[in-house]
Amino acid sequence: GAGVSQSPSNKVTEKGKDVELRCDPISGHTALYWYRQSLGQGLEFLIYFQGNSAPDKSGLPSDRFSAERTGGSVSTLTIQRTQQEDSAVYLCASSSRTGLGEQYFGPGTRLTVT
Amino acid sequence: GEDVEQSLFLSVREGDSSVINCTYTDSSSTYLYWYKQEPGAGLQLLTYIFSNMDMKQDQRLTVLLNKKDKHLSLRIADTQTGDSAIYFCAETLSGGSYIPTFGRGTSLIVHP
Repeated sequence: GAGVSQSPSNKVTEKGKDVELRCDPISGHTALYWYRQSLGQGLEFLIYFQGNSAPDKSGLPSDRFSAERTGGSVSTLTIQRTQQEDSAVYLCASSSRTGLGEQYFGPGTRLTVT
Repeated sequence: GEDVEQSLFLSVREGDSSVINCTYTDSSSTYLYWYKQEPGAGLQLLTYIFSNMDMKQDQRLTVLLNKKDKHLSLRIADTQTGDSAIYFCAETLSGGSYIPTFGRGTSLIVHP
């Protein structure tokens, strides 16, 4: 079966532009997470979706960041008015609510803001 | 508060054992995980341990948990060059929201 996929794999954008990053989770996984990984840093939690519940947005660093999850499946992370400090790898993960809660990660989108 | 700490680098010779250490601060951890990240890829779950266990072995991997000291370790026997990667430990808390806390990752370099 297919794993978690993300697109694009690489994105270069100019400072001030908006970007959209996409995540397709594993079919049937009710939980979806977005993380940011900067060079030399660990994983910074951004946002968590679980089923039809209100998302946990506590990790979003500013109001320029937002995310949606349509139909309980595909998710889009939007960054408005990008800044150079937004340059990082953005990782998406999905998880089944049952079991260990282990996460399955996508390959990430490398965002470079010039 | 919760915090997970790891040393940033480990260098070993091929064939030797590697031991990657992790400390955490929250005693209400339920599950503790080890993830592996190869270059250009996402994280992949390697192994996990329940907080009521003190050891788990899975082929070349041995996980040791010392709850008293809040210390978790991952031992890789007969380390190979293909084991070169970043290793993250993570915890989830009992009664928590299923958002794991990750360490910053340990970069394991295996040289011939």
